[in-house]
Amino acid sequence: QQQVKQSPQSLIVQKGGISIINCAYENTAFDYFPWYQQFPGKGPALLIAIRPDVSEKKEGRFTISFNKSAKQFSLHIMDSQPGDSATYFCAASSDNTDKLIFGTGTRLQVFP
Amino acid sequence: DVKVTQSSRYLVKRTGEKVFLECVQDMDHENMFWYRQDPGLGLRLIYFSYDVKMKEKGDIPEGYSVSREKKERFSLILESASTNQTSMYLCASRPGQLNQPQHFGDGTRLSIL
Repeated sequence: QQQVKQSPQSLIVQKGGISIINCAYENTAFDYFPWYQQFPGKGPALLIAIRPDVSEKKEGRFTISFNKSAKQFSLHIMDSQPGDSATYFCAASSDNTDKLIFGTGTRLQVFP
Repeated sequence: DVKVTQSSRYLVKRTGEKVFLECVQDMDHENMFWYRQDPGLGLRLIYFSYDVKMKEKGDIPEGYSVSREKKERFSLILESASTNQTSMYLCASRPGQLNQPQHFGDGTRLSIL
């Protein structure tokens, strides 16, 4: 029940295309859903986060869509750029714990 | 900007050695975390700490211990290194309030021979 399932494991997208990464969870107590971006040789860094009181959050080209009834959330990268090539992790936590549960990661490659 | 510094980028040790991984943060964060990152498994929490001298087990604490004698420093200890502990180790810190971003170091790639 603590798992966060992430797909796909890898993704190849043409420059200018839309990248979509999906995550699903079981624990209904989760109420904070961040996405982290990790470049090679670097630690993960927070990209964008959402709480379940909204269904969508947009920051520039990055959008989180959240479906509470389906217990799913996804990251959409519009107009994908080669500089977006990185590994992306979804995560989840609840207010009564300090523990972030991470998905298994998606390696995104954007080709010119 | 928050800076989380891990003492070594690469480390090679032998089976049975006692290994220390050090992490220092400069933002006076209450909470600190140690993860290991393995391909296909994502980030898994080993130990975390709410405050000085306090520690909590994460999801995979076996074979590890931690030490937090000062607020800014959190050490991960492999009591007797084994080859299955070869991995990338990531340290993170964040403020005490819930649901604040975790700030990660750049990792230590540890190889146990």
